[in-house]
Amino acid sequence: DAKTTQPNSMESNEEEPVHLPCNHSTISGTDYIHWYRQLPSQGPEYVIHGLTSNVNNRMASLAIAEDRKSSTLILHRATLRDAAVYYCILTVTGTYKYIFGTGTRLKVLA
Amino acid sequence: ETGVTQTPRHLVMGMTNKKSLKCEQHLGHNAMYWYKQSAKKPLELMFVYNFKEQTENNSVPSRFSPECPNSSHLFLHLHTLQPEDSALYLCASSYLAGATKNIQYFGAGTRLSVL
Repeated sequence: DAKTTQPNSMESNEEEPVHLPCNHSTISGTDYIHWYRQLPSQGPEYVIHGLTSNVNNRMASLAIAEDRKSSTLILHRATLRDAAVYYCILTVTGTYKYIFGTGTRLKVLA
Repeated sequence: ETGVTQTPRHLVMGMTNKKSLKCEQHLGHNAMYWYKQSAKKPLELMFVYNFKEQTENNSVPSRFSPECPNSSHLFLHLHTLQPEDSALYLCASSYLAGATKNIQYFGAGTRLSVL
């Protein structure tokens, strides 16, 4: 199965940009890269997804490497409400599976 | 509010009990999912339903029995569970299953403790 690798934890100061990396060296050509986050006592919530090109939405930006073996979620200005576990996920072509990794716990310092 | 509601939020049960978890989605989606989230482990996909038909059973023990009477409701029936089954059980829905750019919407989960 395709797999993602993320750092266990990261810290950021409030109102500074945060770059959350993810490696997915076994990705296949049609697998999408998704990012979700899970706030305390809640289920995961969608952040952003992409296939090959960089993507922007109101929550974040997604930068995808040219070889697609890695990606970076960018939060442009971290707030205290962004403290959560961030999951980088591959959706595997031809299956019904989302492959979740263990995620990165982001701590935002006031 | 994600549009996916799970009840109960917390459940404590003995190993000989029978209980059910309920999930309801108000998003008009056709696919529903059960996940298990144990401490310090990745989310594990358990079951997938697409248009009320089960399309994925990820080698889940038979003491977990899913039911999907319609596209809006999903149940997980539990019986003779083990203490290692204690976890957060999450329900999700999406417009379709099997489409790789699907966005899944998750409920807040049911925290299950098996004594």
